[in-house]
Amino acid sequence: KQEVTQIPAALSVPEGENLVLNCSFTDSAIYNLQWFRQDPGKGLTSLLLIQSSQREQTSGRLNASLDKSSGRSTLYIAASQPGDSATYLCAVRDFGNEKLTFGTGTRLTIIP
Amino acid sequence: GAGVSQSPSNKVTEKGKDVELRCDPISGHTALYWYRQSLGQGLEFLIYFQGNSAPDKSGLPSDRFSAERTGGSVSTLTIQRTQQEDSAVYLCASSLWPGPTDTQYFGPGTRLTVL
Repeated sequence: KQEVTQIPAALSVPEGENLVLNCSFTDSAIYNLQWFRQDPGKGLTSLLLIQSSQREQTSGRLNASLDKSSGRSTLYIAASQPGDSATYLCAVRDFGNEKLTFGTGTRLTIIP
Repeated sequence: GAGVSQSPSNKVTEKGKDVELRCDPISGHTALYWYRQSLGQGLEFLIYFQGNSAPDKSGLPSDRFSAERTGGSVSTLTIQRTQQEDSAVYLCASSLWPGPTDTQYFGPGTRLTVL
């Protein structure tokens, strides 16, 4: 059974700093991995999707990497802004399975 | 274009009552998913619909939970004889899968409180 873990559970950093969020998964036979952000009381917004054959994806100040063999992904946020404050979730889709298995999330607070 | 919509946004019910939660996916999306987000369990998969195929019900926690999707579009999640442990945010998502991408787009959720 796939298990997804995110560390740390919460992170506070001053505005302008670069930061890294971590995601690990137990079964490396994944189809893809997706990073989402969730604002309080809101649904999930997809940030980046990395296919199993890819090593990284970039969108603006965000860069997500994937090391399937070690069961790890990172989300790098450059030049953090207060608007980046949210909970970040990673989710994996296994081969032969359409559902997503989610991590527990990292609550990020950017301090102005 | 319009995103995934869900109704109601909030639902408070008494233990033992039945509830229905509605999801309107993005137009043209053939795949539809229900998830549940609760404090103790995080975000869990419930059920997946793909076109006219039989749904994947492997995530439904008990036989009190059921879902249907009419006309390949709108979906309703029904919880019978609600229990306090059913209190959670129920999220619906849709995607173009199978297609060029299987990015899942989520609705704002329905917050269910069982008293």
